[in-house]
Amino acid sequence: DIQMTQSPSSLSASVGDRVTITCRASQSISNYLNWYQQKPGKAPKLLIYTASSLQSGVPSRFSGSESGTDFTLTITSLQPEDFATYYCQQTYSAPPWTFGQGTKVEIK
Amino acid sequence: QVQLVESGGGVVQPGGSLRLSCAVSGFPFNSYGMHWVRQAPGKGLEWVAFIGHDGNNGYHADSVKGRFTISRDTPRNTLYLQMNSLRAEDTAVYYCARSTGGYCSGGHCYRDWFDPWGQGTLVTVSS
Repeated sequence: DIQMTQSPSSLSASVGDRVTITCRASQSISNYLNWYQQKPGKAPKLLIYTASSLQSGVPSRFSGSESGTDFTLTITSLQPEDFATYYCQQTYSAPPWTFGQGTKVEIK
Repeated sequence: QVQLVESGGGVVQPGGSLRLSCAVSGFPFNSYGMHWVRQAPGKGLEWVAFIGHDGNNGYHADSVKGRFTISRDTPRNTLYLQMNSLRAEDTAVYYCARSTGGYCSGGHCYRDWFDPWGQGTLVTVSS
């Protein structure tokens, strides 16, 4: 199975900060990497698919990039509604579909 | 408006059974594969099961294989997860999600994404 490792597990940031979350795959997954946002008590929401495609309706301050087996989610100017937990997911070879362990973005 | 609404969660004793449902609307159900994903309290997301748009290509996570079965009823626009021999470690919120953008071939599936998701239903396995 392909393992996905996110870093950091949590971070504290202020409104307006630039935030970067990294996800590393245990093997090559091409660009088959998705990002989700989850707020407490709510279902996950798709932000980015195939590494860098922004889902419709998602603000442009969110972006994704890739470099080999490393993938990055960037929030250019953190907003109050962005405080949440973020998950990466590989869909290169399934089953199983695998998620990273999550990164919790908290208010500093 | 695309909607997925789960139901059927509750409290069940270890060894018991439960059937979850996911009623969908707003899109052609028979054109999309569907997933179940769960989240134990305070933990991350774990994929549980997938079924292809035509009811074929059913896959289950190793942690539930032989105990859980995914199925779908196209005329009723409903996805199911039959859960038998439940264990304490199956306690979680269970979400259904639509598979979008991918395809399955030769026993593998590729490049889909999960969108949208239902609101989830809580399953608690406890004596």
